[in-house]
Amino acid sequence: AQSVSQHNHHVILSEAASLELGCNYSYGGTVNLFWYVQYPGQHLQLLLKYFSGDPLVKGIKGFEAEFIKSKFSFNLRKPSVQWSDTAEYFCAVNGRSNYQLIWGAGTKLIIKP
Amino acid sequence: KAGVTQTPRYLIKTRGQQVTLSCSPISGHRSVSWYQQTPGQGLQFLFEYFSETQRNKGNFPGRFSGRQFSNSRSEMNVSTLELGDSALYLCASQTQLAGTDTQYFGPGTRLTVL
Repeated sequence: AQSVSQHNHHVILSEAASLELGCNYSYGGTVNLFWYVQYPGQHLQLLLKYFSGDPLVKGIKGFEAEFIKSKFSFNLRKPSVQWSDTAEYFCAVNGRSNYQLIWGAGTKLIIKP
Repeated sequence: KAGVTQTPRYLIKTRGQQVTLSCSPISGHRSVSWYQQTPGQGLQFLFEYFSETQRNKGNFPGRFSGRQFSNSRSEMNVSTLELGDSALYLCASQTQLAGTDTQYFGPGTRLTVL
């Protein structure tokens, strides 16, 4: 079955701490991988995406993610978080011929000033 | 370019009623997908339309339906509303020029069923 698992549902960090949010997927075939962010009161925005090539992808606002095919993982990282990173983060996957996004449950990130 | 727009933004209905939600994709985008977001179930795929044809459908009852017009605008309809249909309904559009494509989301329509 196709699924996405996000390991942490709630994460609380202090400003300047490093962040890593885990994402593992189960999906047959070649995949596209995404991280979206939903800031309070705002709509879903794309943080970064992986289609092919360099498995380390960089996104907006200093975020990056690494695709490890052997581990079916696509973890999100940021070396130093800011209060403005408080949001909910979603990992998603789809296939090259099926555009339906399969979503993780989301991780609510709270940054303490 | 203007983003994905959805109307209305908020809607309150009572059980048994029906509702129609509208989505205008980004100019040039021919594919529109709909998702339901709830605290309990998270984000779930409803259906996807491309060139006025439904190409994919999620695991939702037949009360949920949709359509796409020749200008790529899309509507979804929920008939015989139930309390559990209360959710944020999100629309996303993409170009569909290739298998590697990104979905861009609208602000959603928050439906409350009383």
